[in-house]
Amino acid sequence: DAMVIQNPRYQVTQFGKPVTLSCSQTLNHNVMYWYQQKSSQAPKLLFHYYDKDFNNEADTPDNFQSRRPNTSFCFLDIRSPGLGDAAMYLCATSRGYSSLGGYTFGSGTRLTVV
Amino acid sequence: TQLLEQSPQFLSIQEGENLTVYCNSSSVFSSLQWYRQEPGEGPVLLVTVVTGGEVKKLKRLTFQFGDARKDSSLHITAAQPGDTGLYLCAGAAGGTSYGKLTFGQGTILTVHP
Repeated sequence: DAMVIQNPRYQVTQFGKPVTLSCSQTLNHNVMYWYQQKSSQAPKLLFHYYDKDFNNEADTPDNFQSRRPNTSFCFLDIRSPGLGDAAMYLCATSRGYSSLGGYTFGSGTRLTVV
Repeated sequence: TQLLEQSPQFLSIQEGENLTVYCNSSSVFSSLQWYRQEPGEGPVLLVTVVTGGEVKKLKRLTFQFGDARKDSSLHITAAQPGDTGLYLCAGAAGGTSYGKLTFGQGTILTVHP
């Protein structure tokens, strides 16, 4: 089945130690999104890629970076994780900017910072 | 900035009861979606409504889009424990804006057996 896969499901990192979360998709969607979700709150958009074009949200801290080497893969890099960055990180995809088909979300990566 | 307000934020009911979740905004959306999220998983799309006044049914779930496309509701009939989860509404901007989704803050539903 076509899907969005996030690895790992659970990630524990040390305060200040860089960490990378990965997302892959078999849907061939050209838009990929990274969301941060804390404690049963609404997902908060960090940034997205439309094909290779990177679009950052105005309030996303510089500590968060992203890479998309090809259509299928997208990475979230947290350069110096703080305790406040502990959250569920969700990757989502869509076919173009038309939202009629909805977003397809991965199962998320739960990040713990110790 | 488009905002979506969901209410109630928490809902705890007994199996068999009916419930309604509301999603309101002062902005017009080209479409509105409802997602359900179980603990430890990503949100899963339930429905997309596009036309003002549109009503869609998904088994015991009824979704309605307001006539002015500024609000929506989700009604669950005879709730079951399997309906437990976080329900999120999300609106898409229209016009020349790209279809970035604006999420409501969510409704945590707990259905007790």
